[in-house]
Amino acid sequence: AQRVTQPEKLLSVFKGAPVELKCNYSYSGSPELFWYVQYSRQRLQLLLRHISRESIKGFTADLNKGETSFHLKKPFAQEEDSAMYYCALFTSGTYKYIFGTGTRLKVLA
Amino acid sequence: DAGVTQSPTHLIKTRGQQVTLRCSPISGHKSVSWYQQVLGQGPQFIFQYYEKEERGRGNFPDRFSARQFPNYSSELNVNALLLGDSALYLCASSEQWAASNQPQHFGDGTRLSIL
Repeated sequence: AQRVTQPEKLLSVFKGAPVELKCNYSYSGSPELFWYVQYSRQRLQLLLRHISRESIKGFTADLNKGETSFHLKKPFAQEEDSAMYYCALFTSGTYKYIFGTGTRLKVLA
Repeated sequence: DAGVTQSPTHLIKTRGQQVTLRCSPISGHKSVSWYQQVLGQGPQFIFQYYEKEERGRGNFPDRFSARQFPNYSSELNVNALLLGDSALYLCASSEQWAASNQPQHFGDGTRLSIL
């Protein structure tokens, strides 16, 4: 079954601490993975995508096909990083987007 | 550009009724996707349309249908509403479809409440 798992509903870290938001996926084909973010009172928006291998707002994510993971990382958390983060999988075989249940990140001062 | 616009913002219906939700994509975007987001869950994919044709469908019953118009706007219809259909319905647009270099741009959603 195609699935995206985000095991943590809530992650609290102190400002300046490293952050890792976990995402695991289940898909037999070639995965296309994304991280979306929703800041308070804002729309859901794309943060980054694995195919671009980019760093956005200091965040990076590496696709690990062996572990079927796409964890989101940032070395030093900022208070403005507090938001809801969703990992998403696009299944190119069936043209479906599958979102995880989301992780709320709280960065404490 | 106002981004993706959805109407109405809120809607209250009773069980058994039918509802139509509307979405206008960003100018130049030809693909529209619909999602259902129940409180505490991530968005659940319902449909993707591109060039007025259905290109992808999630695991939703036939009570859910959609269409895309020549101006690329879209409507989502839900028949025979059930209490479980209460959710935030999100629309997202992208320039093309089915490509990882095509980010989706989301609207604010329509909050549907079924009594």
